[in-house]
Amino acid sequence: DAKTTQPTSMDCAEGRAANLPCNHSTISGNEYVYWYRQIHSQGPQYIIHGLKNNETNEMASLIITEDRKSSTLILPHATLRDTAVYYCIVRVAHNNAGNMLTFGGGTRLMVKP
Amino acid sequence: DTAVSQTPKYLVTQMGNDKSIKCEQNLGHDTMYWYKQDSKKFLKIMFSYNNKELIINETVPNRFSPKSPDKAHLNLHINSLELGDSAVYFCASSVGLAGGYEQYFGPGTRLTVT
Repeated sequence: DAKTTQPTSMDCAEGRAANLPCNHSTISGNEYVYWYRQIHSQGPQYIIHGLKNNETNEMASLIITEDRKSSTLILPHATLRDTAVYYCIVRVAHNNAGNMLTFGGGTRLMVKP
Repeated sequence: DTAVSQTPKYLVTQMGNDKSIKCEQNLGHDTMYWYKQDSKKFLKIMFSYNNKELIINETVPNRFSPKSPDKAHLNLHINSLELGDSAVYFCASSVGLAGGYEQYFGPGTRLTVT
């Protein structure tokens, strides 16, 4: 799986959009970008994933650059409950070798009042 | 209803003991996993288990063994516990083995070895 690079930490004001970047310059054509988050003392939570096109669900939007070497997770209206560590993971979608996720250090997002 | 549950939530034990952590999922998923999160907060995969096929992360000591009585359960047995086994252990499940399926995680079990 391609390696990802994320900022260690970020702050965001409550009610504003939180934009979390992720670099994955060695991504392959068949690798997806996944985002998970871990709120303090809880298990990781799936947020969203995508391949080439931008994706949106009830939690967030995922913007992937045209060359696919980087992406941005957008939380449109951050709340205090969005304070968490956010993980960007790149992996092959149709890989039957265990579907095992490799977590990096992630970005610690602090949403402030 | 809790999708992925683990018991116990906390486990304190002494070095050399053998312990088990239980995991159950009510999502009807075919694949289950165990992850370890150490004191530095890094999450590492330990096992992937699907239809009696076990895929092991090569870094996991053989003192750790997953056991699945049925598709909805994947328990983690740890023999001869060591201080370095202290961590939070997360169980997860997904629809299938292919990498396209998102994983649902349990709340974690905090293991402390003294």
